[in-house]
Order: sequence, then C-alpha cells, then structure tokens
Amino acid sequence: DIQMTQSPSTLSASVGDRVTITCRASQTISNWLAWYQQKPGKAPTLLIHRASNLQSGVPSRFSGSGSGTEFTLTISSLQPDDFATYYCQQYNSYSPVSFGPGTKLEIK
Amino acid sequence: EVQLVESGGGVVRPGGSLRLSCAASGFTFDDYGMSWVRQVPGKGLEWVSTINWKGIHTYYADSVKGRFTISRDNAKNSLYLQMNSLGAEDTAFYYCARGRSAPGSSWYQTWFDSWGQGTLVTVSS
Repeated sequence: DIQMTQSPSTLSASVGDRVTITCRASQTISNWLAWYQQKPGKAPTLLIHRASNLQSGVPSRFSGSGSGTEFTLTISSLQPDDFATYYCQQYNSYSPVSFGPGTKLEIK
Repeated sequence: EVQLVESGGGVVRPGGSLRLSCAASGFTFDDYGMSWVRQVPGKGLEWVSTINWKGIHTYYADSVKGRFTISRDNAKNSLYLQMNSLGAEDTAFYYCARGRSAPGSSWYQTWFDSWGQGTLVTVSS
C-alpha cells in the first residue's frame, strides 16, 4: 500500500504570509492527489483534486502542484479563516485510498 | 445543496455490532460512488470503505475487511455501514463522503467532494 507523509507536521505563520505544505507518496501516484482542510469539530472540506485542480468555491489563494511522489499545497496570503489542519490524500489505481497524517497550521 | 447526514453512532461493547446510516440529499444519489472515512478523535483520517454507484462493487480497508459491510439503497438515497466484531480500535468519528472519479479512471479511484458531519462510534466496556 502507498504511504503518505506530510511536512511539516505543524506550521506557525502569520496573516498575510505565504505558506507551503509538502506531501510525499511512497510510490509514484501520477497526479492522483487531493488536499483537504479540516477545522476543529468539523468535517474535512475538499480544496484541490488531481494535484492542481481547485475545487469550485475555494479561494484562489490556494494552489496545488506536483506529480509523481512530491506535491505541495500553497496558500499565497494567509487569511484568519485558513488556520486549520490540512490533509493530502492519494487515490492511485493500484492501492487503497490513503491520507497523509496532516499538517496543523497555527497562528504565530 | 449537497447534504449528507450520518446517524447510528453510539456506545457499543467490544465484540458488538452497530449499523451506521447516511441520508443523502441535494444531488442524484445513484450517480455517485460513496465512501466511509473515519477519524479517531484528535488523529488523522482513515479510509474505511467505498461502494460504486450501483452498489455492485465494494472495497474495504484491510483493517475492517470481513467485519464491516458497506451497502446502499438508491431508492432511499441512503448509504449504510454494518459494523460487526467491533473493537476499541474502531472507536472514531465516521464520515460519509461522496466520491468523485476522473474520466477513464477506476471506480474506486476517488477523491471526496462532500462530507457529512460525522457520527461518533465508541467501543467500550
């Protein structure tokens, strides 16, 4: 099965900062990768699918890139509403779906 | 507006059973594969099971295979998860999620574009 890792596990940043979260897959997954945001006590919400496709309604300050085994989620200018935990998820055809362990984005 | 509402969670003793339900509305239910994803409180997300749009094909995580059964009733716009032989390791929030697949990809190659609010299952004596 494909294992997903994320770095950093915790990220402290300020409103207006540009931040990048990295997700790595243990095997190549082409661009079969999604990103989710989860706030405390709430269900995850989809941000990006197919590595770089922004979900409808998601602000354009969010972007995704990468292919193969390394992917990034970038928030161009942090807003107060963005402080949350972020998960990547792979959905490659030859392995069960799996999620990364999460990156908690905190206010500095 | 897409809505997914889970129910059926609660406290169950080790070795017991529970059946979760997910009521869907706001979209054509039988156009989509559906999944269950769980989350131990304070921990990460774990995919549990996926069922295709017609209910013919199912897929399970190794951790639940042989104990859990996913099913759906398209006439009732409902998804289910029958959970048997429950253990403490099954304690988690269980989310119902709508799956999306890219054209040309396999039915189980899904990302999740809508989630329910979750229902808590606690396995404890």
